[in-house]
Amino acid sequence: SQKIEQNSEALNIQEGKTATLTCNYTNYSPAYLQWYRQDPGRGPVFLLLIRENEKEKRKERLKVTFDTTLKQSLFHITASQPADSATYLCALANTGNQFYFGTGTSLTVIP
Amino acid sequence: DAGITQSPRHKVTETGTPVTLRCHQTENHRYMYWYRQDPGHGLRLIHYSYGVKDTDKGEVSDGYSVSRSKTEDFLLTLESATSSQTSVYFCAISPGQGSEKLFFGSGTQLSVL
Repeated sequence: SQKIEQNSEALNIQEGKTATLTCNYTNYSPAYLQWYRQDPGRGPVFLLLIRENEKEKRKERLKVTFDTTLKQSLFHITASQPADSATYLCALANTGNQFYFGTGTSLTVIP
Repeated sequence: DAGITQSPRHKVTETGTPVTLRCHQTENHRYMYWYRQDPGHGLRLIHYSYGVKDTDKGEVSDGYSVSRSKTEDFLLTLESATSSQTSVYFCAISPGQGSEKLFFGSGTQLSVL
C-alpha cells in the first residue's frame, strides 16, 4: 500500500524566515499532490495543488515543488508569520478521486 | 466550512453499541468521504461515495459501513463500536472531475468507553 511521510512531527522557526516542509511517498504514482492547513479543532483547509507534470506552483508566500523521480514534494512558506503556525498535511490523489494523507507537520513560527 | 455539517459534534458511547454519524452538504458535490484522524496516523480514508448509492471502501473500512441515499447526506455507521474506534471523524466533499479540492467539515469527536 502507499506510504506518505512528512518530515519531523514539529518544526519551529523564527518569524520572517522560510519554512520548508517535506512530503515523501512510496508505492504510489499520484496524478497530483495537494497541501492542506489544519488548525486545532478544525478540519483541514486546501492550500495548493500541483500536478504530476508540473515542477513548481506558487501562491502568494507559498511555493510547492513536486519531483516524481524522487517521489517528493517540498512546501515553502516565505516570510513566515506567527499566524502561519498550524499543522500542514500533504495529500496524494489518483484520477479516481481517492485522497491519501500524510501524518502532518506541526509548524510553530516564533515571534 | 463550505456548506458541510457534521452531526453530532461530540459523542460518548459504550463498547458494543451502534453509532451513526451524519454528514450533510448543501453544495451538491458528487463525491463525499469519511476520514478518521488519530495521533501518529494522520487522516485515513474509511469509505467514500461517488454518487447516490455508489460507495467504495477506503484503507481502514473494517468495522464501518456507509450509506448515501441522497446527494446531500452521507452516513457512517459503526455497527458495534469498539474502543479502537475512538477518534475524530471528518467528512469531506469534492465536486469531482476537473476540481480536485477536498472541503472538510468540522469533525466529530467520538469516544468509545
